[in-house]
Amino acid sequence: QKEVEQNSGPLSVPEGAIASLNCTYSDRGSQSFFWYRQYSGKSPELIMFIYSNGDKEDGRFTAQLNKASQYVSLLIRDSQPSDSATYLCAVNDSNYQLIWGAGTKLIIKP
Amino acid sequence: KAGVTQTPRYLIKTRGQQVTLSCSPISGHRSVSWYQQTPGQGLQFLFEYFSETQRNKGNFPGRFSGRQFSNSRSEMNVSTLELGDSALYLCASSSRTSTLSYNEQFFGPGTRLTVL
Repeated sequence: QKEVEQNSGPLSVPEGAIASLNCTYSDRGSQSFFWYRQYSGKSPELIMFIYSNGDKEDGRFTAQLNKASQYVSLLIRDSQPSDSATYLCAVNDSNYQLIWGAGTKLIIKP
Repeated sequence: KAGVTQTPRYLIKTRGQQVTLSCSPISGHRSVSWYQQTPGQGLQFLFEYFSETQRNKGNFPGRFSGRQFSNSRSEMNVSTLELGDSALYLCASSSRTSTLSYNEQFFGPGTRLTVL
């Protein structure tokens, strides 16, 4: 069964530091990778996507993809208390079906 | 562009009743997916509709059903409600037109269903 795995956390990071969130996937033929942020009681919000190996930067967020090692990560620079949320990793597998991780809870401590 | 809308936002039902939830996708999006989210199980895929046809289905009992209309609006129905059906039901729309294309999804605010 195709899987996407994330550490459930909580991951606690001091304000202003870099938060690093990781995700591994089992389907080597996976095509595209998404990071969603979900605040408590709210719906998931797409914040980043990446299709090619390497880094993709968008403001304070950087997505990193390594297809050989089958992992994708999200770095949040200069972490703010407003970044405290659950981060969901989603992967389009080789059949273009979206497989979801269970999410990592991130807590930014002021 | 207006986002994905879902109605109602909150619903309280009793065991044995049935419920219908509605979702209007982003204008131009024809793919609509439904998810159930609970604290213990995370985000669970229910089904995907495209052009009024169910394209994919998750591992849920037949009590969960859905449909899509010609304007891409979608409804899901849960019959004979059980206590365990209490959850946040999320609808997501996508611009993808083929099952062999990227599936970037945009979520609605969800319907929180409580079964007593």
